[in-house]
Amino acid sequence: SAVISQKPSRDICQRGTSLTIQCQVDSQVTMMFWYRQQPGQSLTLIATANQGSEATYESGFVIDKFPISRPNLTFSTLTVSNMSPEDSSIYLCSVVTPNTEAFFGQGTRLTVV
Amino acid sequence: QQPVQSPQAVILREGEDAVINCSSSKALYSVHWYRQKHGEAPVFLMILLKGGEQKGHDKISASFNEKKQQSSLYLTASQLSYSGTYFCGTYGAGSQGNLIFGKGTKLSVKP
Repeated sequence: SAVISQKPSRDICQRGTSLTIQCQVDSQVTMMFWYRQQPGQSLTLIATANQGSEATYESGFVIDKFPISRPNLTFSTLTVSNMSPEDSSIYLCSVVTPNTEAFFGQGTRLTVV
Repeated sequence: QQPVQSPQAVILREGEDAVINCSSSKALYSVHWYRQKHGEAPVFLMILLKGGEQKGHDKISASFNEKKQQSSLYLTASQLSYSGTYFCGTYGAGSQGNLIFGKGTKLSVKP
């Protein structure tokens, strides 16, 4: 199994500012995934973060808006840049264990005002 | 390709049963089921890795019909604690381990 610590758990931010979300895993993992969950919606993959290489972004998500760092095998950050109210969502990091079970952080509930 | 879940919502009384379906137009190699309570992260329920597989614990079980490219989640004698949104997830083509989730089924269990 994997235990993921994600912070902050929630934040209220002014439009035009940036927020960095941190994700710490209790074991080394090759890939970490960042998802967004808009209110009442399903989870949508933002990007896949590999250690030592640039993140791979899904269609509709760009590095300038959602820069990701992955400095080692247990840690990653996602920054939501130049925020607008449309960015209000829950952001979740996730890892997949060798038996393919996916674990999620507690999520960051972001409100942009 | 996002899997399709049905129904979108279910309202039950305690003790009643429910079935949630998950289907895909693409070949399915595995199906993952998660439950998410309001304001919380999704919690893993089970994985089905091969056609014909059935799994279950407590009164929640699932089946995987590989040929029909679908999976069903069965909730028997539902309890209040079963309330939440249920998501099925599958691996997309070329996936590196990320899941593609269905839109979810909201289950409400009433006393």
